Amino acid sequence: DQQVKQNSPSLSVQEGRISILNCDYTNSMFDYFLWYKKYPAEGPTFLISISSIKDKNEDGRFTVFLNKSAKHLSLHIVPSQPGDSAVYFCAASADTGTASKLTFGTGTRLQVTL
Amino acid sequence: NAGVMQNPRHLVRRRGQEARLRCSPMKGHSHVYWYRQLPEEGLKFMVYLQKENIIDESGMPKERFSAEFPKEGPSILRIQQVVRGDSAAYFCASSPSSNSYEQYFGPGTRLTVT
Repeated sequence: DQQVKQNSPSLSVQEGRISILNCDYTNSMFDYFLWYKKYPAEGPTFLISISSIKDKNEDGRFTVFLNKSAKHLSLHIVPSQPGDSAVYFCAASADTGTASKLTFGTGTRLQVTL
Repeated sequence: NAGVMQNPRHLVRRRGQEARLRCSPMKGHSHVYWYRQLPEEGLKFMVYLQKENIIDESGMPKERFSAEFPKEGPSILRIQQVVRGDSAAYFCASSPSSNSYEQYFGPGTRLTVT
C-alpha cells in the first residue's frame, strides 16, 4: 500500500528551465511534507518542507506547493542547474502530536542537461 | 559541526552471520530513526528511538532485527542470522526534538549478504 506516490520515475530538463516534480498521497492524516535530494552512495539531504496549514513555501530556487484537497504536492526548481541532477524523494509525516516516522515515495530521477 | 555518522559504510556478511550497524546522531540530537532502502525503491521506516527508549518499531521485521540507543554511545541496528533479502542500504536519521519534523540523514550502510 503505497501511501506516497511519485508517478514519474524520471524527468529530463534543460539547464535554466523549470523542473516540476510531483507527488500524490492517500493518507488524510499526513500533515507535514518534505522533499529530499539524494545523490548515489549518499544519504538523502533535506531540501524544503511545508506544513498542511500552508499552500506554498519558497526557499531560493526551490518552491513547494501543496494542494490539500487534491492530496497533491509539487516541487519547482527554477532555474534548474546541472548540480540539481539527483533523485528527489517526497516524504510525509502524520499528525500524531509530535514528530514521527516519514513515509517516502519511490523517487524521481531528475537529469538537468546542458 | 559533524552530521549524522554511520559505520561501517559497507558491510559484507555471509548468510547466517550477524550484522551490526552503528549510527551517531548530529550533536544535540536525541531522536534517531532507521530506514531501509531496497534497490529501486524508496526508503522504508523501520524504527524510531530516543535515548534508552524505543518509541515506534512498527516497521521492524518481527524476527532477527533489533535496535537500541543507549544512554552513552551510538544507536545500533542489529540483524541476526542475515539472509540474502536483508541486502539493502540502511540509513539512519536524527532530529533534535519531538517537535522537529525535519530529519537529517547519514550516508548509509550498504549491507551485502553473500
